[in-house]
Amino acid sequence: EVHLMESGGGLVQPGGSLRLSCSVSGFVFSDFGMSWVRQAPGKGLEYISTISGSDGSTYIADSLKGRFTISRDNSKNTVYLEMTSLRADDTGVYYCAKQRYFRNGAFDFWGQGTAVTVSS
Amino acid sequence: QSPLTQPASLSGSPGQSITIFCSGTTNDIGLYNYVSWYQQHPGKAPKLIIYEVSNRPSGVSNRFSGSKSGNTASLTISGLQAEDGAEYYCNSYTRTSTYVFGTGTKVTVL
Repeated sequence: EVHLMESGGGLVQPGGSLRLSCSVSGFVFSDFGMSWVRQAPGKGLEYISTISGSDGSTYIADSLKGRFTISRDNSKNTVYLEMTSLRADDTGVYYCAKQRYFRNGAFDFWGQGTAVTVSS
Repeated sequence: QSPLTQPASLSGSPGQSITIFCSGTTNDIGLYNYVSWYQQHPGKAPKLIIYEVSNRPSGVSNRFSGSKSGNTASLTISGLQAEDGAEYYCNSYTRTSTYVFGTGTKVTVL
């Protein structure tokens, strides 16, 4: 059974940093791309970033370049999202999702999300 | 990348069919067949219901169907049931190898 679990969310001050983790099980981790998607309170889904399988190629939404970085550790079956210079509008629930293929494809499995609140 | 455009809300009676349209551009929906649809109930994670325009994952009801024409994708829910009341999002792969979601459509079953 495929399982994804995010962690690392919490309260952070504006300008601060946070690293989210997503631990997975139930599939060959290095064979699939992984992504992060977020959702501000009461708002829609927003794509953040994708990292492909074992070659580690990364892709990120233009609006988040320079502040957010995705990475993965295939030995730990974990994908990370490093977030810096956080702002109030970064507040929301952050989901990790498995892609159907090595580099792209639909998001076929999702974690339950971890909440991030940026506030002083 | 601007969000794909969806109607904010749609409603229908049990048993009816509704169609949600998702409008994109030649840089996303019009370029690839990597269009997917997600269902999200309040407080829950999104769930994949359609991938690659018209394919259903195992376990998803055949009452959900998808299609695409040009820069517009659509999701049809046939035989509307109470449990179909949820938020629905379209998504597309883009020219820059990233993804873009739609603005979301709240479906209400009357």
